[in-house]
Amino acid sequence: KQEVTQIPAALSVPEGENLVLNCSFTDSAIYNLQWFRQDPGKGLTSLLLIQSSQREQTSGRLNASLDKSSGRSTLYIAASQPGDSATYLCAVSHWDNTNAGKSTFGDGTTLTVKP
Amino acid sequence: EAQVTQNPRYLITVTGKKLTVTCSQNMNHEYMSWYRQDPGLGLRQIYYSMNVEVTDKGDVPEGYKVSRKEKRNFPLILESPSPNQTSLYFCASSLFGTAYYEQYFGPGTRLTVT
Repeated sequence: KQEVTQIPAALSVPEGENLVLNCSFTDSAIYNLQWFRQDPGKGLTSLLLIQSSQREQTSGRLNASLDKSSGRSTLYIAASQPGDSATYLCAVSHWDNTNAGKSTFGDGTTLTVKP
Repeated sequence: EAQVTQNPRYLITVTGKKLTVTCSQNMNHEYMSWYRQDPGLGLRQIYYSMNVEVTDKGDVPEGYKVSRKEKRNFPLILESPSPNQTSLYFCASSLFGTAYYEQYFGPGTRLTVT
């Protein structure tokens, strides 16, 4: 069974700092990995999706990398801002015969960016 | 506006009283899924549907039912709700499944079962 772990569980940084969030998964037979942002009491907003054949994706100040063989992904946030404060979740999805359509989420990293 | 909608957004009910949470998407997505989110347990998949009339169990399907009679709708049915189903529920959809396309999430339904 796929397990997804996110470290650290919480992170507090001063504004302007660059930071890295980590996501690891136990079953490397994934089809894609997606990073989400969740604000308190809100739904999930997609940030980046990396297909299993890709190594990284970039959107603005965000860069996500994927090393499928080692079961790891990182989300790099450059020049952090107070508006980046939220919980960041990673999720892996499968498309093989037995698990097609299944998604597994990590517990998230709660980020606080202090002005 | 492309979106996933859920109704109701908040619901307080009593044990055993059947309820349905609706989910609708206007993006012509084939894939739809239900999740529950609980403190300390994260987001867990309940059921998903790859297309009309095709549904499959996720990791925590016990106590839930779903149906997919139309592409746009994927209701979640609790035939006899119990307090352990108190949770925050999310519906999501994706084009051609999660393989190539990102999942879009609804705003969530906060359910309390007393």
